Amino acid sequence: DQQVKQNSPSLSVQEGRISILNCDYTNSMFDYFLWYKKYPAEGPTFLISISSIKDKNEDGRFTVFLNKSAKHLSLHIVPSQPGDSAVYFCAASFGNQFYFGTGTSLTVIP
Amino acid sequence: SQTIHQWPATLVQPVGSPLSLECTVEGTSNPNLYWYRQAAGRGLQLLFYSVGIGQISSEVPQNLSASRPQDRQFILSSKKLLLSDSGFYLCAWSRGAGREKLFFGSGTQLSVL
Repeated sequence: DQQVKQNSPSLSVQEGRISILNCDYTNSMFDYFLWYKKYPAEGPTFLISISSIKDKNEDGRFTVFLNKSAKHLSLHIVPSQPGDSAVYFCAASFGNQFYFGTGTSLTVIP
Repeated sequence: SQTIHQWPATLVQPVGSPLSLECTVEGTSNPNLYWYRQAAGRGLQLLFYSVGIGQISSEVPQNLSASRPQDRQFILSSKKLLLSDSGFYLCAWSRGAGREKLFFGSGTQLSVL
C-alpha cells in the first residue's frame, strides 16, 4: 500500500518560471514531510522539510506547502533553473520510518 | 560533520552468487540506519532499518538480509542472488530521534545476470 503518492511522473517547465511538484499521503500520523532531489546513479539529496504543525517552510528558491486537511503537500521552485532538472521525491516520516513517493522527473527547458 | 560511505558503487553478479554491501557512517553515534532499493523506473522501497546494534526490522520479505554488527555499520547480504534483486541500493541514516532529515549514501548499482 503506497502511503505517499506522486501522481505526476514528469513535469516540464521553462527556465525562470515556477515549478510546482505535488505529493499526496494517506497516513495522518506522519509528522514530517521531506523533499529530495536525485540525479541518475546518485543518492538523493535532501532539499527541504516541514513539520506537520506548520503549513509553509521556505529555503531560498524552494518553498514547501502543507495542507493537512487535504493530505497534500507541494514543492515550489522559483525561479526554475536548468540545473534543477532531476527526479524529485517526496517523503513522509513517522516513528523510525521514512516513506517515499515514486518521484517526479522535472525538466527545466532553457 | 557527518558522512556516510557506501561501497561498491557498481557490482555485476551472476544469479545464485552471494552479496555483501557495506555502509558506514562517521561523525555521529547511535544513528538509525536504513537500506532502500530503487528498481528501474520505480520509487524508493524501504528494505530494512535498524535503531541499534543487532536490531533489524524488515519491511519486505525477500531474498535479502541485513545486519548491524557495529553502531555505525550496516550490511546488506544475500546467500543467492536472483535476477529480481537487480537495482540501485541506497544506505541512509538519520539521527535517532530525528525524523526531519534522512541522509543518503551514494548508492550501489547492482546488476544480476
